[in-house]
Amino acid sequence: GQNIDQPTEMTATEGAIVQINCTYQTSGFNGLFWYQQHAGEAPTFLSYNVLDGLEEKGRFSSFLSRSKGYSYLLLKELQMKDSASYLCAVLDSNYQLIWGAGTKLIIKP
Amino acid sequence: IAGITQAPTSQILAAGRRMTLRCTQDMRHNAMYWYRQDLGLGLRLIHYSNTAGTTGKGEVPDGYSVSRANTDDFPLTLASAVPSQTSVYFCASSDQSLADYNEQFFGPGTRLTVL
Repeated sequence: GQNIDQPTEMTATEGAIVQINCTYQTSGFNGLFWYQQHAGEAPTFLSYNVLDGLEEKGRFSSFLSRSKGYSYLLLKELQMKDSASYLCAVLDSNYQLIWGAGTKLIIKP
Repeated sequence: IAGITQAPTSQILAAGRRMTLRCTQDMRHNAMYWYRQDLGLGLRLIHYSNTAGTTGKGEVPDGYSVSRANTDDFPLTLASAVPSQTSVYFCASSDQSLADYNEQFFGPGTRLTVL
């Protein structure tokens, strides 16, 4: 079966750095996405990795290791508005997105 | 409009009733998707359409049907609603003409409660 694992909930302090991990086992791999979802809202795109390594975009970075079936999302200089759920999703061999259950990130002052 | 719209925003429905959730996009994306999102679970694909005139089944298609008569619209129909279909429903679209980059854009969601 296909499986995406990420922690259910994490807590971090404003101004700090947090790393959200995602491990996956899917039938094929055509890329990995991270989405942000604020409570009661739609998911919005954050990043896309298809090759191994780190992709940096402002305060957010995403890392991929295809051999380990592993990715992480790194958030720096945390702000209160970063409180949200972060969804990891893998594009499988049929080009369908397989979604993790999401990590709820709580930011404390 | 810009992006994807869904209607209604929320709905309370009696079990056994028929309901159509509407989804319209103006980005001329060829691919469209319907997901449901339940607490503690990831987004689960119900049905999808890679281009107008074609549809396919996702992970949880039972009890749902879709049609894709044109590029912009992708309605989802519950023929006879059951309480287990209580969920938040998201419509999404993507431009699959891009070779391997399949960012999906989401509508605001429809919160459906079946009693």
